[in-house]
Amino acid sequence: NAGVTQTPKFQVLKTGQSMTLQCAQDMNHNSMYWYRQDPGMGLRLIYYSASEGTTDKGEVPNGYNVSRLNKREFSLRLESAAPSQTSVYFCASSGTGNPNYTFGSGTRLTVV
Amino acid sequence: AQSVAQPEDQVNVAEGNPLTVKCTYSVSGNPYLFWYVQYPNRGLQFLLKYITGDNLVKGSYGFEAEFNKSQTSFHLKKPSALVSDSALYFCAVRDRVYKLSFGAGTTVTVRA
Repeated sequence: NAGVTQTPKFQVLKTGQSMTLQCAQDMNHNSMYWYRQDPGMGLRLIYYSASEGTTDKGEVPNGYNVSRLNKREFSLRLESAAPSQTSVYFCASSGTGNPNYTFGSGTRLTVV
Repeated sequence: AQSVAQPEDQVNVAEGNPLTVKCTYSVSGNPYLFWYVQYPNRGLQFLLKYITGDNLVKGSYGFEAEFNKSQTSFHLKKPSALVSDSALYFCAVRDRVYKLSFGAGTTVTVRA
């Protein structure tokens, strides 16, 4: 099925460890986004990529880095995980001229 | 900066009764407004959007939303709620670079 695929679905990290969250879309969308979801705070934008080769900071970028590897893939890296980064992470994509986002199913990350 | 607010953390209704989820917005210029729904352990799914045109927008699963410019509101409605409508609902506003800003979310519980 066409859509946005995120891996892994679950992850537990120790404080200070690093990891990369993977996201891929097969809808030929230009724009891709990483959000984190925390209770009572909705979704907050971490980074986005308006098109292949470009990335920009969102509302809460500290502690994260991103790579737009190609048009399909947009990864999120935590270099040194902290308990404050315990959250559910969602990747999304959207096409030119179509404002609707398609979301992945999320990655539930726990940092202990 | 553009933003939306969802004044109710929770909405509880009986099955068959009307359902309303409130959203107010703050934007400069014309608003592009959205509603998304999230079922447990799933990503967000698009329900409907307002870009321009009729103030009453119809969307998926029998939902509709009323855009009110004078009250800066975009409330989500369903004439007759179902138990299966129980979920987390998010209002969102789009900026000029196609980024979405989300409200904190409203948990809807429909009791049988």
